[in-house]
Amino acid sequence: AQSVAQPEDQVNVAEGNPLTVKCTYSVSGNPYLFWYVQYPNRGLQFLLKYITGDNLVKGSYGFEAEFNKSQTSFHLKKPSALVSDSALYFCAVSPRTDSWGKLQFGAGTQVVVTP
Amino acid sequence: DADVTQTPRNRITKTGKRIMLECSQTKGHDRMYWYRQDPGLGLRLIYYSFDVKDINKGEISDGYSVSRQAQAKFSLSLESAIPNQTALYFCATSAQGGNEQFFGPGTRLTVL
Repeated sequence: AQSVAQPEDQVNVAEGNPLTVKCTYSVSGNPYLFWYVQYPNRGLQFLLKYITGDNLVKGSYGFEAEFNKSQTSFHLKKPSALVSDSALYFCAVSPRTDSWGKLQFGAGTQVVVTP
Repeated sequence: DADVTQTPRNRITKTGKRIMLECSQTKGHDRMYWYRQDPGLGLRLIYYSFDVKDINKGEISDGYSVSRQAQAKFSLSLESAIPNQTALYFCATSAQGGNEQFFGPGTRLTVL
């Protein structure tokens, strides 16, 4: 069975410091990989996705993610966190064989950036 | 105007009542999805649809039904609501497999 793991319920970081949110997956083949962000009382917003090519993917708001096939990981990163980055972050995967584009989500990681 | 809208945004109801949550989109996407979000569980897929003639069960479809009235409209119904259906419900759309999904603002449903 496929699964997505976000091992940290919460990540705390000081403003200006690097931010990393971890994601590992167990899905057959080479799935599409996504990161979404949810701000309070809002829907999910797409940040970035990995389809193929360069293992480092750049996305919105200065975020990037690194795909590591051997470790089946897709960690989200930001070199310098902002207080406004405080939100709930979700990793999601979709098998390439799934023409419906169904997503399986991790449980989410709450990011708290302190001034 | 928002591309994916959901009504109502908040709803409190009682056990046994029938509830309908509605979703509309102006993105012209074929694929539409309903998810529920529970703390610590992420989002789980309830139903998904490719077009008005195509409805598919997701991971947690028991207790729910859907209707795809048009390409742009996808409704979720709880025929007889129960308290463990208290959750945040999201509608989403996408253009095709492998593409990102676009989410509505969510409906917060409380079943007493």
